[in-house]
Amino acid sequence: RKEVEQDPGPFNVPEGATVAFNCTYSNSASQSFFWYRQDCRKEPKLLMSVYSSGNEDGRFTAQLNRASQYISLLIRDSKLSDSATYLCVSGGYQKVTFGIGTKLQVIP
Amino acid sequence: EAGVVQSPRYKIIEKKQPVAFWCNPISGHNTLYWYRQNLGQGPELLIRYENEEAVDDSQLPKDRFSAERLKGVDSTLKIQPAELGDSAVYLCASSLDLAGGLYNEQFFGPGTRLTVL
Repeated sequence: RKEVEQDPGPFNVPEGATVAFNCTYSNSASQSFFWYRQDCRKEPKLLMSVYSSGNEDGRFTAQLNRASQYISLLIRDSKLSDSATYLCVSGGYQKVTFGIGTKLQVIP
Repeated sequence: EAGVVQSPRYKIIEKKQPVAFWCNPISGHNTLYWYRQNLGQGPELLIRYENEEAVDDSQLPKDRFSAERLKGVDSTLKIQPAELGDSAVYLCASSLDLAGGLYNEQFFGPGTRLTVL
């Protein structure tokens, strides 16, 4: 089993739609969680950190479920500019792991 | 503030040749990472430094890959000899991490795209 698992997609959604991604992690000792965004042929950039209480930044909401060991990302009112790959990251003791990424394509 | 700097941006070599990549992290960042990213995959950690100490190199293919961060600032990653399967993007990232095992945001450089022929 991979340490961080994501559905690679692609998720094709119309503009204005709400889309959600889940990511599961296997290391129960993980303490730090993030969502990164990666545009085609670019480097990853931090989208959001994920906290136990959940956090929201505009149209983006991230949640952490420690009991089930997954994190989620919700994007509301999708924009064409949201088209990218979304990488889930789990950080445990002395170890940080990226998922394969979920590709999102927002369609006009 | 300058971001993470990597060079070269592109490198094309023939198999069995050596190649080296250089990374200069954001000033003051104590943690430096080297990742390899293949097409359609997430970044795969090769090695992580805390200052000049390599604290996680479990995924580094040590028969052909080596890395150093002598003064705890910039770093080089070397492959010798390169194989066809080494073609990938090599990403460097840095962060300012506190003690206690918690991780902060990683800032990535633009990467070096390696093609081995």
